[in-house]
Amino acid sequence: DAGVIQSPRHEVTEMGQEVTLRCKPISGHDYLFWYRQTMMRGLELLIYFNNNVPIDDSGMPEDRFSAKMPNASFSTLKIQPSEPRDSAVYFCASRGLAGGMETQYFGPGTRLLVL
Amino acid sequence: SQQGEEDPQALSIQEGENATMNCSYKTSINNLQWYRQNSGRGLVHLILIRSNEREKHSGRLRVTLDTSKKSSSLLITASRAADTASYFCATDEGGAQKLVFGQGTRLTINP
Repeated sequence: DAGVIQSPRHEVTEMGQEVTLRCKPISGHDYLFWYRQTMMRGLELLIYFNNNVPIDDSGMPEDRFSAKMPNASFSTLKIQPSEPRDSAVYFCASRGLAGGMETQYFGPGTRLLVL
Repeated sequence: SQQGEEDPQALSIQEGENATMNCSYKTSINNLQWYRQNSGRGLVHLILIRSNEREKHSGRLRVTLDTSKKSSSLLITASRAADTASYFCATDEGGAQKLVFGQGTRLTINP
C-alpha cells in the first residue's frame, strides 16, 4: 500500500490566492482527518470525515477554509482567500479497521507558505 | 487546541543512552498513543496503551500509563542516531474519534 498520499508537497502562493490541498487516504479506511501544524500552535485537528461525510469541523479556523470528500479515495482542503497566517504544514490522515481502529496513518504533509 | 503537555520540550543524549519522555493529559481517556515525526515527514504511530493497562513494550520502546496522575511516559532504550525525531503523545480525550496531540518532545541522539 502506498500509504496516505498528499499533493502538492510544497506550495508557495501570494496572499489572496486560492489554495487547494489534496489527499488520497489508504484504501479501505473510512475516517479521514485534516490537521495543521505550526510551531506556535502545534498539531491541530481541522476537520474529519466518516464515510465521506464531514463529522466535526469545529477546528476549521474560519470561513476561508473549506473541505470536501466527494468519494472514499479523495479529499480536498481549500483556503480562499489565503493569508500569511495560514502558512503551516497541513497533514491528512486516515484510519480504518484494516490498521486498527484507533491508529491514524499520516501523509507526508503539504508545506504551505503564503507571502 | 492542544490539551496534552509533554516534558521535556527538548532532549539531547548520547547514542546508547536511554531517553525518557513524559506526557500529561487533562480528562479521562480510553487509550493513549505515541507517535514519532522525523523532520519534514508525517507522524508515524509507535504504540498504543489502553486505560486498563499500566505498561506496554514494543522492541526498544516501553510505555507506562498512570491514569490516577493522568500521565504517561515513553522510554527508548539503547538509543540510536535514527531515533532522532519529535515524539508526540495523543489521547482520545477529544472524543472517541478524535485524537488530541501534545506539543511534542524533540529528541536528539548524538553519535
